[in-house]
Amino acid sequence: EAQVTQNPRYLITVTGKKLTVTCSQNMNHEYMSWYRQDPGLGLRQIYYSMNVEVTDKGDVPEGYKVSRKEKRNFPLILESPSPNQTSLYFCASSLIIQGPWEQYFGPGTRLTVT
Amino acid sequence: KQEVTQIPAALSVPEGENLVLNCSFTDSAIYNLQWFRQDPGKGLTSLLLIQSSQREQTSGRLNASLDKSSGRSTLYIAASQPGDSATYLCAVTSGSRLTFGEGTQLTVNP
Repeated sequence: EAQVTQNPRYLITVTGKKLTVTCSQNMNHEYMSWYRQDPGLGLRQIYYSMNVEVTDKGDVPEGYKVSRKEKRNFPLILESPSPNQTSLYFCASSLIIQGPWEQYFGPGTRLTVT
Repeated sequence: KQEVTQIPAALSVPEGENLVLNCSFTDSAIYNLQWFRQDPGKGLTSLLLIQSSQREQTSGRLNASLDKSSGRSTLYIAASQPGDSATYLCAVTSGSRLTFGEGTQLTVNP
C-alpha cells in the first residue's frame, strides 16, 4: 500500500531534549516536506527536499534540522526543543513538485514540549 | 510569495443543502490545486486534485473548479450530510512549494 509513515504519532518531551521525528514513504517520490499546524496559523512549511541530499528552508525553519540521505526517508530533528514547538507535525511527499502530482500526507505527529 | 485565502472561515448549514467553499491564490503560476478534508485533531485526507490545465474535477458529491487566470477555485458539495462536517483546506503547488489556506470549518446540522 502506498503510504507516508511518521513516528512517533504522539510525543511529550521536555525543553532541550533532542528528538527526531521520522518520515518514510514507499512510493519512490523525489519531493518530501515537513509542515506544522497550529490553531489560527494553519499549515506552514518547515523544510522541503527536492531529492536526495537537496534540502531547503520553508516558511518556519528556525529550531529545526532535516536530512535526506536516502530517497525514502526525511527525518525532522529538533536539537533543543522549546515549548513554542508544541504543534501537530505532518510529513508529505509527491513524485516531483513541478507538475500535476498529488501530495501524500502522513498521519501526523502531535508533539508537546513542556 | 504565494498566498492562499479561504472564505468563509466557518460555515454552518442544514443537512441536504448544497454549498460552495471558496479558495483564492495570489500567484497564478501554479502546477496544481488540491482540496483536503481534515477532521478535528486528525490527518489530511485528499479529496480532489486539479491540474493547472484542467477546469474542474468531480468525485461523487464533490466538484472542484479552477480558474487559474483569476486565481480562484471553488469546492461544491452537493446534498450535504452531517458526516461532511470537517475543515476543508485548499493548497496550491507553485515554484518548489505547497501553500495552504487556513481552511473553512464546515458544520452540517441534522
